[in-house]
Amino acid sequence: AQTVTQSQPEMSVQEAETVTLSCTYDTSENNYYLFWYKQPPSRQMILVIRQEAYKQQNATENRFSVNFQKAAKSFSLKISDSQLGDTAMYFCAFMMIIQGAQKLVFGQGTRLTINP
Amino acid sequence: DTGVSQDPRHKITKRGQNVTFRCDPISEHNRLYWYRQTLGQGPEFLTYFQNEAQLEKSRLLSDRFSAERPKGSFSTLEIQRTEQGDSAMYLCASSPARGKGEKLFFGSGTQLSVL
Repeated sequence: AQTVTQSQPEMSVQEAETVTLSCTYDTSENNYYLFWYKQPPSRQMILVIRQEAYKQQNATENRFSVNFQKAAKSFSLKISDSQLGDTAMYFCAFMMIIQGAQKLVFGQGTRLTINP
Repeated sequence: DTGVSQDPRHKITKRGQNVTFRCDPISEHNRLYWYRQTLGQGPEFLTYFQNEAQLEKSRLLSDRFSAERPKGSFSTLEIQRTEQGDSAMYLCASSPARGKGEKLFFGSGTQLSVL
């Protein structure tokens, strides 16, 4: 079974600092997709960034970037120049596609707090 | 607003009662998902539709749970004979069927409390 592990339940940094959130996953699939979602106190799940496993280049979206290490099954998220609005739960997620069905499997989450 | 809409936002019920939640996906999205999220945990997959076809169900979806998506538009999730362990946030998401690995757009969820 595919699993996603986020080993940092909570993290806290000062505004403008850089922070890296860790994620590892376990799969025997070769073609899959990885995501980071953000869930602020409103509990609305918001996509932060997406990575296709067959692409070696790490995805970036403005201040957000990933370090994708396929062999190590690692997918960490780096937030640069952190802002107060980045305070949220962050979930790493793995998408597998089986017989046409897509299923997104989430990790346990990391609670990130940005302090002024 | 053309996002994923869920109704109601909150539902309080007594143990043993039946409840039904509704999800309206983004209009051009063929794929629709239901997830359950308990406090402090990541969302857990429940079921997935492509158009009106239910393609996968999690073993978490016991026989008390049923989901439908008539005509491939909105979807309903019904829980019969609710138990206290059903208390959770129920999230609906949709995605287009343009290809593989498309991002999911989530609704704001229905928070269920079973007393």
